[in-house]
Amino acid sequence: QQQVKQSPQSLIVQKGGISIINCAYENTAFDYFPWYQQFPGKGPALLIAIRPDVSEKKEGRFTISFNKSAKQFSLHIMDSQPGDSATYFCAASDNNQGGKLIFGQGTELSVKP
Amino acid sequence: GAGVSQSPSNKVTEKGKDVELRCDPISGHTALYWYRQSLGQGLEFLIYFQGNSAPDKSGLPSDRFSAERTGGSVSTLTIQRTQQEDSAVYLCASTRSGLTDTQYFGPGTRLTVL
Repeated sequence: QQQVKQSPQSLIVQKGGISIINCAYENTAFDYFPWYQQFPGKGPALLIAIRPDVSEKKEGRFTISFNKSAKQFSLHIMDSQPGDSATYFCAASDNNQGGKLIFGQGTELSVKP
Repeated sequence: GAGVSQSPSNKVTEKGKDVELRCDPISGHTALYWYRQSLGQGLEFLIYFQGNSAPDKSGLPSDRFSAERTGGSVSTLTIQRTQQEDSAVYLCASTRSGLTDTQYFGPGTRLTVL
């Protein structure tokens, strides 16, 4: 049973544009929602994370929007750059389950120059 | 500073052989996680260690898979009698304390079962 659904599977954006990736979750016990960035041949690296007590978190060009009632959260990449081309994973975890991450299926982002 | 390291980086084995994959977490990190990344299944949780004990083994796909952690540090994931469907990238992550904390991932071990 997939507990975190991510869309789209792939995304092509022009340089300078906004990239938006969406995730939806089912388990209301989740209390931590990170986004990971992965380049080919590398392990995932934490990009930004949010907890359900806030609706938005911004770090540089990256923003997470969180809608607790809808059980959805999204990643916005402003002024997308070719160097942002990577695979992005949303994830969720429950503090009472040891913090194991349940990942979305991933979005392959390509930013065209 | 050193990050999470994994060895080997690549492993090619024949069906039916046993393999051992190693993870060296960041020094001082008490929690360690194993995940598997495959084309059809994305990133899946396998097992979680807090210190040397494994409170959550729920993601191990079969009894051919086992893992241990010694000295609260290095962990080994063992796959016995490998099958072609075991081919994937095996990723290890560690955190300072477990729970909902930043997980730092290693580069992974790419396992190919012929």
